[in-house]
Amino acid sequence: DAGITQSPRHKVTETGTPVTLRCHQTENHRYMYWYRQDPGHGLRLIHYSYGVKDTDKGEVSDGYSVSRSKTEDFLLTLESATSSQTSVYFCAISSTGLHEQYFGPGTRLTVT
Amino acid sequence: AQKITQTQPGMFVQEKEAVTLDCTYDTSDPSYGLFWYKQPSSGEMIFLIYQGSYDQQNATEGRYSLNFQKARKSANLVISASQLGDSAMYFCAMNVQGAQKLVFGQGTRLTINP
Repeated sequence: DAGITQSPRHKVTETGTPVTLRCHQTENHRYMYWYRQDPGHGLRLIHYSYGVKDTDKGEVSDGYSVSRSKTEDFLLTLESATSSQTSVYFCAISSTGLHEQYFGPGTRLTVT
Repeated sequence: AQKITQTQPGMFVQEKEAVTLDCTYDTSDPSYGLFWYKQPSSGEMIFLIYQGSYDQQNATEGRYSLNFQKARKSANLVISASQLGDSAMYFCAMNVQGAQKLVFGQGTRLTINP
């Protein structure tokens, strides 16, 4: 199994507070991704990274920012959480970006 | 834009039967990859199988095979001899050359009955 961890695994927060989710990998893969999963929508890409300090937006990037200062860590930040950001967040990694992605265990975020 | 369609929200199959999960895709790019993932009730996403658009043969991985029909733009997952542990959500996904991103379908919930 690919070495991917996410922290925290569960979080409840209030509307308007900042939240940071962390993805950590031990595989030295170049590409890292953040997805959200909501009922009826499958998984949707939020942001991705193709190297240290190299990031780009996905299809649902509004309200989210990311940072990657080291190969192994990819952070997702909600600057001011809203109830619409209640979701399960998955991190994924890929060595080439063209083949399979391996997913972390997910983080369940609830914004009240 | 790329799009994945899974038309079966749910399927019920008897144990030991074969099952086919449908997936159609839309892209104008000649180079792309197709993927299937399994998500059991525990929530993790498990990679099952990959098919490249230029691959001449259908991909197989153990009991999983991908029925790739390029002209129809379909990439159905076939599970042979289904087991109770196959009960899960199944997602079809696609990327295209240079995009480094996956686009997912909405998933099919498969239930295997004893």
